[in-house]
Amino acid sequence: EVQLVESGGGLIQPGGSLRLSCAASGFTVSSNYMTWVRQAPGKGLEWVSVIYSGGSTYYADSVKGRFTISRDNSKNTLYLQMNSLRAEDTAVYYCARDHDSSGLGYWGQGTLVTVSS
Amino acid sequence: QSVLTQPPSVSGAPGQRVTISCTGSSSNIGAGYDVHWYQQLPGTAPKLLIYGNINRPSGVPDRFSGSKSGTSASLAISGLQAEDEADYYCQSYDSSLSGLVFGGGTKLTVL
Repeated sequence: EVQLVESGGGLIQPGGSLRLSCAASGFTVSSNYMTWVRQAPGKGLEWVSVIYSGGSTYYADSVKGRFTISRDNSKNTLYLQMNSLRAEDTAVYYCARDHDSSGLGYWGQGTLVTVSS
Repeated sequence: QSVLTQPPSVSGAPGQRVTISCTGSSSNIGAGYDVHWYQQLPGTAPKLLIYGNINRPSGVPDRFSGSKSGTSASLAISGLQAEDEADYYCQSYDSSLSGLVFGGGTKLTVL
């Protein structure tokens, strides 16, 4: 059974850094494309970043240069390193996996990141 | 401002049929990229409802159907049930952004 479990969220001051983790089971993170999607309180879904099976990475303009997506195949875990955090980065962050390369078929439960002083 | 445009809300009585539109452009839906739909119940993670424009993952009732034409796509829900009350999002890929794009979401109210 495919499972995704995020961790690492919390309260952080503006300008600070945080690393989110997404532990995967039931499949290998390197064999699928993996994404981070966020949802600000009361708002819609916003794509953040993707890492493809070949290792290519892409970012939304709103986080480019500040966030880095990566994976550790030995730990079967996806990461999102978030630097220079801003108030507008406050959101629930979900990791998600593709459904046979079509759509995001598997989602974690989400982890809340709050950027505030 | 979302790249894909959805109506903020739709409503219908139990048993009725509703549709939710998703309008994109020549760099996403119009370029031939697939559209996927998600259902998000309050306080939960999104769930894939339709993938590849028209396909349902196993376990999704056939009351849910998707279509795509030109730069737009639609999600239809027939035989509305109280448990269908949720937020619905469309998603595609945008070549000019080199990334995934979502619609702003549509809140479905079952009257």
